[in-house]
Amino acid sequence: EIVLTQSPATLSLSPGERATLSCRASQSVSNSLAWYQQMPGQAPRLLIYDASNRATGIPARFSGSGSGTDFSLTISSLEPEDFAVYYCQQRSNWPLTFGGGTKVEIK
Amino acid sequence: EVQLVESGGGLVQPGGSLRLSCSASGFSFNNYAMHWVRQAPGRGLEYVSSLSSNGFSTYHADSVKGRFTISRDNSKNTLFLQMSSLRVEDTAVYYCVKDMGPYSSSSRGGFDYWGQGTLVTVSS
Repeated sequence: EIVLTQSPATLSLSPGERATLSCRASQSVSNSLAWYQQMPGQAPRLLIYDASNRATGIPARFSGSGSGTDFSLTISSLEPEDFAVYYCQQRSNWPLTFGGGTKVEIK
Repeated sequence: EVQLVESGGGLVQPGGSLRLSCSASGFSFNNYAMHWVRQAPGRGLEYVSSLSSNGFSTYHADSVKGRFTISRDNSKNTLFLQMSSLRVEDTAVYYCVKDMGPYSSSSRGGFDYWGQGTLVTVSS
């Protein structure tokens, strides 16, 4: 099973700041990685797929990069609605796995 | 507008069974793979099961293999999860999820639409 390790566990930032979230895979997943955002009490929302493609309707301030084992999600300038939990997911190998999540909180 | 509406959750005793349903609308259901993902209270996301668009290819996480069965009725735009031999650790919100493509085994794309989830509580 591929283990995805997300860091940091919590990121404390102010609106307008840049956020960089990391996801590291225990073995190569090529570019088969997605990122999701989950607001409290809501279902997750797809942000990025295939490591760097923004999903439909996702603002340009969200960007994904990386391949192999190291990936990043960057939010260029945090908006109030961006404070949430973010998960990465790989679909390179079965079972599909999710990372443990990074919480982006208001500083 | 894509909508996924889960039903069938509730309180069940350990060892019991439940059948979850997911009613889909707003897209061509028979053209897309579907999945179930769960989230225990206060925890992260856990993959459960996948099913290809034609219903021929399935996959279940090891934690549920032999106990859960995913299926679909494309004539009724409905996805199912039959759960048996339920354990306390199966307690979670279960999400019905749409894939971007038809193949559950694809390494491309993501899970682009999620239902609001249905809570399954396994407790005596």
